Amino acid sequence: DAKTTQPNSMESNEEEPVHLPCNHSTISGTDYIHWYRQLPSQGPEYVIHGLTSNVNNRMASLAIAEDRKSSTLILHRATLRDAAVYYCILRDGPSNTGKLIFGQGTTLQVKP
Amino acid sequence: NAGVMQNPRHLVRRRGQEARLRCSPMKGHSHVYWYRQLPEEGLKFMVYLQKENIIDESGMPKERFSAEFPKEGPSILRIQQVVRGDSAAYFCDSSPLSSYNSPLHFGNGTRLTVT
Repeated sequence: DAKTTQPNSMESNEEEPVHLPCNHSTISGTDYIHWYRQLPSQGPEYVIHGLTSNVNNRMASLAIAEDRKSSTLILHRATLRDAAVYYCILRDGPSNTGKLIFGQGTTLQVKP
Repeated sequence: NAGVMQNPRHLVRRRGQEARLRCSPMKGHSHVYWYRQLPEEGLKFMVYLQKENIIDESGMPKERFSAEFPKEGPSILRIQQVVRGDSAAYFCDSSPLSSYNSPLHFGNGTRLTVT
């Protein structure tokens, strides 16, 4: 079973910021927090990942709570192309062979 | 810099036929994972392979499904005697050695339709 909880769906207006929450209250010390997104008819696409500190890259930012039991993916300016299913996943290599356990994710709709 | 390549992109098989799905990892990647996505559902892990070894097949159905990743060539997911319930999108991803702290790179999948 997925170890994360996300809202089923969210809406955003184009060019506005989007905050996608994820709860992972049973996270262990060796779990990395990964985010992927899946556009229609495509494979999942890596977005960002982190362990303890907040992370930024060209696609998004990842804010990780101090106790690591929740995190938030931040899209700074949503575009229509960002409409996708966003998955928050905990990835632990040594005890889990590194496989990803997907939940249902959050379906993000972006309105023009 | 070629990404993960999967072929064919679409595959149609009649019930009882065999399906072979191929996954070529990114250059330098020796780990491959296969996932299945049934219609309107999330991705489910199937199998994890390193070159010439199956490391974790806990998500593979017990019958008709097999996977290999030979020393040379792509990883192959083989489904024998397909049934309609096998209709799904099959994705693979690859990663380099010792990469639990690295992104995974997915292919665009093979969409299998069983008629």
